[in-house]
Amino acid sequence: AQTVTQSQPEMSVQEAETVTLSCTYDTSESDYYLFWYKQPPSRQMILVIRQEAYKQQNATENRFSVNFQKAAKSFSLKISDSQLGDAAMYFCAYRTRRGNKLVFGAGTILRVKS
Amino acid sequence: SAVISQKPSRDICQRGTSLTIQCQVDSQVTMMFWYRQQPGQSLTLIATANQGSEATYESGFVIDKFPISRPNLTFSTLTVSNMSPEDSSIYLCSVDEWSLTDTQYFGPGTRLTVL
Repeated sequence: AQTVTQSQPEMSVQEAETVTLSCTYDTSESDYYLFWYKQPPSRQMILVIRQEAYKQQNATENRFSVNFQKAAKSFSLKISDSQLGDAAMYFCAYRTRRGNKLVFGAGTILRVKS
Repeated sequence: SAVISQKPSRDICQRGTSLTIQCQVDSQVTMMFWYRQQPGQSLTLIATANQGSEATYESGFVIDKFPISRPNLTFSTLTVSNMSPEDSSIYLCSVDEWSLTDTQYFGPGTRLTVL
């Protein structure tokens, strides 16, 4: 069974600094997708970034980038120039081929200090 | 991405009663899913809502407790039946835009409190 592990229950970062959230996963599949979702107190799940396993190049979306290490089954999220609006719960998620469910990690609470 | 709405956004219910949550999408989608997020926890898939056929339930979830309807490609409902305080959770629907990006997008969620 696929599992997703987020080992950091909570992280803090100073405004304008950089923070990295960790995620590891376990799978025997070779074709899959990885995601980071953000859930602010409003509880809306917002897609931050996605990565296709067959792509070696790390995905980037503005201030958000990932470090995807397929052999190590690691998928960390780096947030640069942190802003107060980045404070939220961040979930790492995995899915196999189209139509399959998302498997979520336990989440990491990110606090941003001004 | 698709715009997804859910009704109600929150509700407080008495134990033993049932609540139906609606999920509406502004475009036709193939796959719709229902997740539960218990307080302080991560998301767990309840079932996949299939258009024109019965929903596919995950282990630990049964149709009698969580009946689901999917009458067309833009709408689904989840009913939480015979509620107990343990059912207090956020319930989220999501849709699969696999034809475009293989990505699931989520509705705003329904916060349910059972007294």
